[in-house]
Amino acid sequence: AQSVTQLDSQVPVFEEAPVELRCNYSSSVSVYLFWYVQYPNQGLQLLLKYLSGSTLVKGINGFEAEFNKSQTSFHLRKPSVHISDTAEYFCAVTAKAAGNKLTFGGGTRVLVKP
Amino acid sequence: GAGVSQSPSNKVTEKGKDVELRCDPISGHTALYWYRQSLGQGLEFLIYFQGNSAPDKSGLPSDRFSAERTGGSVSTLTIQRTQQEDSAVYLCASSEERPGGGGEKLFFGSGTQLSVL
Repeated sequence: AQSVTQLDSQVPVFEEAPVELRCNYSSSVSVYLFWYVQYPNQGLQLLLKYLSGSTLVKGINGFEAEFNKSQTSFHLRKPSVHISDTAEYFCAVTAKAAGNKLTFGGGTRVLVKP
Repeated sequence: GAGVSQSPSNKVTEKGKDVELRCDPISGHTALYWYRQSLGQGLEFLIYFQGNSAPDKSGLPSDRFSAERTGGSVSTLTIQRTQQEDSAVYLCASSEERPGGGGEKLFFGSGTQLSVL
C-alpha cells in the first residue's frame, strides 16, 4: 500500500514570492507521482506528473516538481506566485502496477496575498 | 467533448434515507473512479472500475456503500441508510487506461455535495 503526507495544511504567501509545497510518500514498490490542483468552486485538474526519466518535471502555470527517490519526496515549487494560484493542491501516488488508482495526500491550501 | 458529468450537484437528505449519485464519464474512458472528499481532508478512494474487470471495492467504508457501472459507461454510487458522517463531496473521475499501463491523467467531475441532516 502507498501513503502520501503533505506536511503543510495551509501556506500563506505574498504575490510574486516563491512557494514550495512539500510532499512525501511511502511505498514498497515503484510509483508514479502527481500533483493536482483544485481552484475554488472547480474540479481537480492535473498540474504535473512524474512517470520516469528526468527527476525535474515541469507542469502548467509555471509549476515544477522534483522527484527525490532517496528522500521519497516530490515537492512542488513555483518561483513567483500570482493571486490566481490561490487553490488547494493535492499530491498523489499510484503503484506502477495499480493502474491509475491514486492515493492522495491531505492537501495544502495556498492563499496568495496581494 | 463534454467532461465528466455528475448529478445531482447538491443533495440534501435525512438520516436513514438512501441516496444515488450518478457519474457520466468521458466517452471512451475505460476506467472510472469514485472518491470522497470530506471537509478539511484529502480525497479518500472508494471504488475503481476498469473495463470488464471486477471492480476494486477496497475503499468502500461500509456495506451501506455500493456502486455499479452499466455498459462500461455511466456509474451510480448508492449509499443506503445514510448517516451524518456520510456528508461529504463525492467525486467521480475517469481516465484512459492502456493495458499494462498507468500514469494516465484523471479527469474529475465537479462532484456531488451530499448533506445528511
